[in-house]
Amino acid sequence: DAKTTQPPSMDCAEGRAANLPCNHSTISGNEYVYWYRQIHSQGPQYIIHGLKNNETNEMASLIITEDRKSSTLILPHATLRDTAVYYCIVRVNFGNEKLTFGTGTRLTIIP
Amino acid sequence: DTGVSQDPRHKITKRGQNVTFRCDPISEHNRLYWYRQTLGQGPEFLTYFQNEAQLEKSRLLSDRFSAERPKGSFSTLEIQRTEQGDSAMYLCASSPGRTPNEKLFFGSGTQLSVL
Repeated sequence: DAKTTQPPSMDCAEGRAANLPCNHSTISGNEYVYWYRQIHSQGPQYIIHGLKNNETNEMASLIITEDRKSSTLILPHATLRDTAVYYCIVRVNFGNEKLTFGTGTRLTIIP
Repeated sequence: DTGVSQDPRHKITKRGQNVTFRCDPISEHNRLYWYRQTLGQGPEFLTYFQNEAQLEKSRLLSDRFSAERPKGSFSTLEIQRTEQGDSAMYLCASSPGRTPNEKLFFGSGTQLSVL
């Protein structure tokens, strides 16, 4: 699986949009971009995933650049409960059932 | 849906002792995964099962580690002759197992401290 690069930490004011970047310059055509988050003392939680089109669900939006070398996870109205470590993962679309986590971005929502 | 359940939540043991952790996946989830996480790092894959078959094992899973899923439901992870380096959070996850690349549902983990 392609390697990802994320900033180690970010702050965001409560109520504002949190934009978390991820670089995956070696991504292959058959690799999806996944985002998980891990709130303190809990296991990781799935947020969203996509291949090349932008995706949105009830939790977040995922914007993938046209060349697919980077993506941004957007939490539109951050709350204190969004404080967590966010992991960007790339994963082939078949034949690889495990997730390979990096060290992620520690997002802190400031009141 | 009661989620993935792990037991115990915390385990303290002395070096050299054996420990066993249990994971109950979400009902009817056929795939079950074990991960290990140390402080400040992301979870590291250890092994996964499709029903009762163990399909992949990481090189991290030394001979002292053994995982089972005898009836394709709950799973156990045993560590023999524990070492201080085994101290970590052990996470279990499950997925339905009907299509490739499904999202994984994680439990809250078992925190192991080896003294």
